[in-house]
Amino acid sequence: GAGVSQSPSNKVTEKGKDVELRCDPISGHTALYWYRQSLGQGLEFLIYFQGNSAPDKSGLPSDRFSAERTGGSVSTLTIQRTQQEDSAVYLCASSEARNTGELFFGEGSRLTVL
Amino acid sequence: TQLLEQSPQFLSIQEGENLTVYCNSSSVFSSLQWYRQEPGEGPVLLVTVVTGGEVKKLKRLTFQFGDARKDSSLHITAAQPGDTGLYLCAGARSGGGADGLTFGKGTHLIIQP
Repeated sequence: GAGVSQSPSNKVTEKGKDVELRCDPISGHTALYWYRQSLGQGLEFLIYFQGNSAPDKSGLPSDRFSAERTGGSVSTLTIQRTQQEDSAVYLCASSEARNTGELFFGEGSRLTVL
Repeated sequence: TQLLEQSPQFLSIQEGENLTVYCNSSSVFSSLQWYRQEPGEGPVLLVTVVTGGEVKKLKRLTFQFGDARKDSSLHITAAQPGDTGLYLCAGARSGGGADGLTFGKGTHLIIQP
């Protein structure tokens, strides 16, 4: 597709379960970002991938959160043993620029932990 | 530490009114981006300002970057219901990378018909 694609768009899970969120960036974009947006809040940075470099994981809130980017394209954000405070919209963005150029966002994955 | 403060957090006005929202920081940015986010969607870039004192216009929206490149404003003239959304500013620092882009918490704007 032409834009950033995220799946699932909505996920409801029970506390303690693991979830995987997927992001398919725009073809050719070397930079990929994951952000978390809680109700009424701005964007909280989680993790950043740039080409083949080691990812910047400085925003991950706990060791229950991890992310991979395979082949420099698709990324998966995994949350283990989900907690209610993990409920949020998880946004993925990609960028073609090495430096902070325009970010192209997906529509997000809304996670609800019961 | 919130490096970018946006104000007001919420604003509800009538169609046809003018408004200004602000994005302030004590840090200097190499550039600043403004995004608009509608419900159920991801943010979409409106404009990037790079030079201190720069003014950019996008139809009824006027963006200004402060002379010292620490702050920015967005002015909307004759607001329309279609302007409703969350307006986010994001400051970029030299060197790039994820930690080089900081988002504010946003201004929730509602334009009532």
